[in-house]
Amino acid sequence: AQSVTQPDIHITVSEGASLELRCNYSYGATPYLFWYVQSPGQGLQLLLKYFSGDTLVQGIKGFEAEFKRSQSSFNLRKPSVHWSDAAEYFCAVGVKAGGTSYGKLTFGQGTILTVHP
Amino acid sequence: DSGVTQTPKHLITATGQRVTLRCSPRSGDLSVYWYQQSLDQGLQFLIQYYNGEERAKGNILERFSAQQFPDLHSELNLSSLELGDSALYFCASSVMGLADEQYFGPGTRLTVT
Repeated sequence: AQSVTQPDIHITVSEGASLELRCNYSYGATPYLFWYVQSPGQGLQLLLKYFSGDTLVQGIKGFEAEFKRSQSSFNLRKPSVHWSDAAEYFCAVGVKAGGTSYGKLTFGQGTILTVHP
Repeated sequence: DSGVTQTPKHLITATGQRVTLRCSPRSGDLSVYWYQQSLDQGLQFLIQYYNGEERAKGNILERFSAQQFPDLHSELNLSSLELGDSALYFCASSVMGLADEQYFGPGTRLTVT
């Protein structure tokens, strides 16, 4: 079965600093990979996704992520963090059910990002 | 605003009771997903419906059931509630399948006392 590990439960950065959130997955083939963000009291919002092709994907709000097959990783990055980026970030793996277009998302435990002014 | 609506926002009930959570997907979306978010289990996929048919299933308990109606709204029924069922329940919708962006609702917070 697939699994997702986000090693960092909580990360604190200063506003304007760069950010990297780690995500490692376990799955036999190349899965669908996603990063979601959850602000307090809100539902989740998709930041970016990777299915195939260029291993560096751009998302919304200035985020990007790089898929590294050899490391089974899909780390999220942002060059300069803004105070409004404070939230919880979830990495997720999507695995299709059989030959269908449907399947389930397995989420990591999340990383809480705190931004200091 | 994602366009996905969930009612009620909060629900407090006693152990052994049954509750129904309701979700209306974004206009044009045919798939509905249910997730449970709790402190000890994290965010877990429960079940997906596409155009009224069940399409994918996660670790959904037998005490839980869901359905999607012809107007595409969905209901999640939780019965014989236990303290451990206290959680935030999210509904999400998408156009069809796994490759499509899922839009999440604001959630229903269930407290079982």
